[in-house]
Amino acid sequence: AQSVAQPEDQVNVAEGNPLTVKCTYSVSGNPYLFWYVQYPNRGLQFLLKYITGDNLVKGSYGFEAEFNKSQTSFHLKKPSALVSDSALYFCAVRASSNTGKLIFGQGTTLQVKP
Amino acid sequence: DTEVTQTPKHLVMGMTNKKSLKCEQHMGHRAMYWYKQKAKKPPELMFVYSYEKLSINESVPSRFSPECPNSSLLNLHLHALQPEDSALYLCASSQDRGNTGELFFGEGSRLTVL
Repeated sequence: AQSVAQPEDQVNVAEGNPLTVKCTYSVSGNPYLFWYVQYPNRGLQFLLKYITGDNLVKGSYGFEAEFNKSQTSFHLKKPSALVSDSALYFCAVRASSNTGKLIFGQGTTLQVKP
Repeated sequence: DTEVTQTPKHLVMGMTNKKSLKCEQHMGHRAMYWYKQKAKKPPELMFVYSYEKLSINESVPSRFSPECPNSSLLNLHLHALQPEDSALYLCASSQDRGNTGELFFGEGSRLTVL
């Protein structure tokens, strides 16, 4: 069965410092991995995805993620955090069957302090 | 135009009311989704439509009734809901049901059942 784990409920980082939000996955077959961000009282916004190719994926708002097949991880990173990056972040994987199902992790709240 | 529009943004209804949530996209996407989200939790898939046909029903109670009148519109009809159904209801679309495409989410309809 496919699953996604986000081991940290909350990540705190000072503005200007690098940030990492962790995600590990378990899938059968090729993993199709996604990161979404949700600001308070808003819908989810797509940040980036890994389908195939280069292990370092660049996305919106300066975010990037590194796909690591041996560690089954897809951590979200940003070199310099902004206060406005404070939000709820979800990692997700598409189910291996062609059903359209997107399986989400539990989410990580990122708090960036000035 | 990369937008999924949901109406209404807020809805309060009694347990005996009948109401509907509406979702519209004009990106030519052929897969549309309804998700339910409780506060600070990941979205839970309810229904998937592919080419205007219902392809997934995640064992959702019959008091929720989806409808896809055409490729741009998705409705969720609500009847005899329970207070525990209060949540943010998110509509999403993707190019098709395949695994590599990201979902585009609307801002959601926040439902309160009294």
